[in-house]
Amino acid sequence: RKEVEQDPGPFNVPEGATVAFNCTYSNSASQSFFWYRQDCRKEPKLLMSVYSSGNEDGRFTAQLNRASQYISLLIRDSKLSDSATYLCVVNTHAGNMLTFGGGTRLMVKP
Amino acid sequence: EAGVVQSPRYKIIEKKQPVAFWCNPISGHNTLYWYRQNLGQGPELLIRYENEEAVDDSQLPKDRFSAERLKGVDSTLKIQPAELGDSAVYLCAIGEGSSGNTIYFGEGSWLTVV
Repeated sequence: RKEVEQDPGPFNVPEGATVAFNCTYSNSASQSFFWYRQDCRKEPKLLMSVYSSGNEDGRFTAQLNRASQYISLLIRDSKLSDSATYLCVVNTHAGNMLTFGGGTRLMVKP
Repeated sequence: EAGVVQSPRYKIIEKKQPVAFWCNPISGHNTLYWYRQNLGQGPELLIRYENEEAVDDSQLPKDRFSAERLKGVDSTLKIQPAELGDSAVYLCAIGEGSSGNTIYFGEGSWLTVV
């Protein structure tokens, strides 16, 4: 089992739709969680951190479920510009070792 | 957001040739990472530095890959000799935040081995 797993997609959704991605992690001691966005042929960029109580940034909501060891990203009112690959990141060992999932590709269509 | 400058941006080499990548953080950061990303996959950690010390290089193929971070600022990653399977994007990143685990990437160095 991979340390961090994501459904690769693609998720094809119409504009205005709500879409959610999950990411599972194997190390129950993990403490830090993030979502990154990566556009085609670009570097990954930090989208948001994931806090224990859940957090929201505009149309984006991130949640952590420690019991089931997954994090989620919810995007409301999808825009064409949301089309990208979304990578979850987990620190899987003590310290600063960050492991990326394989990414979930989102395509928002008119 | 701190800047990370990488060079070269693109490199095409023949197999068995050497190649080197440079990473220049614009401002000083203790934590520096090298990741490799293959097409359709997430980045995979090659090596992590805390200042000039390599604190995690377990995923670095040491038979052909080497890295250094002199004076705890700039870093280089070298492959010698390159193999076809080394074709990938090599991403340098710096860590920010109290634990240095919020990372920001450079634009990457795209390597094609033919």
